[in-house]
Amino acid sequence: KNQVEQSPQSLIILEGKNCTLQCNYTVSPFSNLRWYKQDTGRGPVSLTIMTFSENTKSNGRYTATLDADTKQSSLHITASQLSDSASYICVVSDRGSTLGRLYFGRGTQLTVWP
Amino acid sequence: EADIYQTPRYLVIGTGKKITLECSQTMGHDKMYWYQQDPGMELHLIHYSYGVNSTEKGDLSSESTVSRIRTEHFPLTLESARPSHTSQYLCASSEGKDTQYFGPGTRLTVL
Repeated sequence: KNQVEQSPQSLIILEGKNCTLQCNYTVSPFSNLRWYKQDTGRGPVSLTIMTFSENTKSNGRYTATLDADTKQSSLHITASQLSDSASYICVVSDRGSTLGRLYFGRGTQLTVWP
Repeated sequence: EADIYQTPRYLVIGTGKKITLECSQTMGHDKMYWYQQDPGMELHLIHYSYGVNSTEKGDLSSESTVSRIRTEHFPLTLESARPSHTSQYLCASSEGKDTQYFGPGTRLTVL
C-alpha cells in the first residue's frame, strides 16, 4: 500500500533555532517528492521538489534531502522565524499513472515561539 | 504566487441547502483537482479533470459533483449539504504531471 508517514506530528521551537522534519514513504514506482508549506486556513505552497537522482535541494532556509534507497526524506529549517509556523506536508508522486498520482502525509505542525 | 482562486473562503449553511464552491485559475492549466482536508489530516482527492468536459472521481468517495465547461473553471456542487460535509475543500491545478498549485481553500460548515 502506498503511504507517506511524517514525524513528528507537531513540534515547537524557539525563534532562531534549527529543526528537522522527517518523511518516510512506501510509494512505488517513485517519481518525485515534494515538500509543501501550508499556513493555517490557506492552501499548500510548494517549497522543494526532488526526483530519484537528487539527494539535496535547497530553497533559502529550507533544505530537503532524499534517500531513495531507504525511502526517506527530511526537511531542515535553518534559523527559524515566526513566519515558519505552519504545517509542512510531504507529498510523493508515483510515475505509474498519467495523472501523476500524489500521496500526501498528514503533515508536521511547526510552531515557532519568540 | 499561483493564480488560482476559490470562493467563498468561508461558508456556513444549514442542512439540505444546495451549494457550489467556485474555483478558477488563470494559468491555462489542463488538469484541475478538488481535495478534501479535515483538521490535522492528509488531503484526500475527491475529483479531478484532465481538461474541458473531462471529470473523474478521486480516491475518497464524495457526494459532490463537478463540471469542467471551461479550462479555467472547475466548480464543485453539493445538492443537499449535511453536517458530514463539514470540511476544508482545496482546489488545485497543474500542467501535466508538474507541481500542483493550490487555491486558498473553502472552509465549509454545515449546521
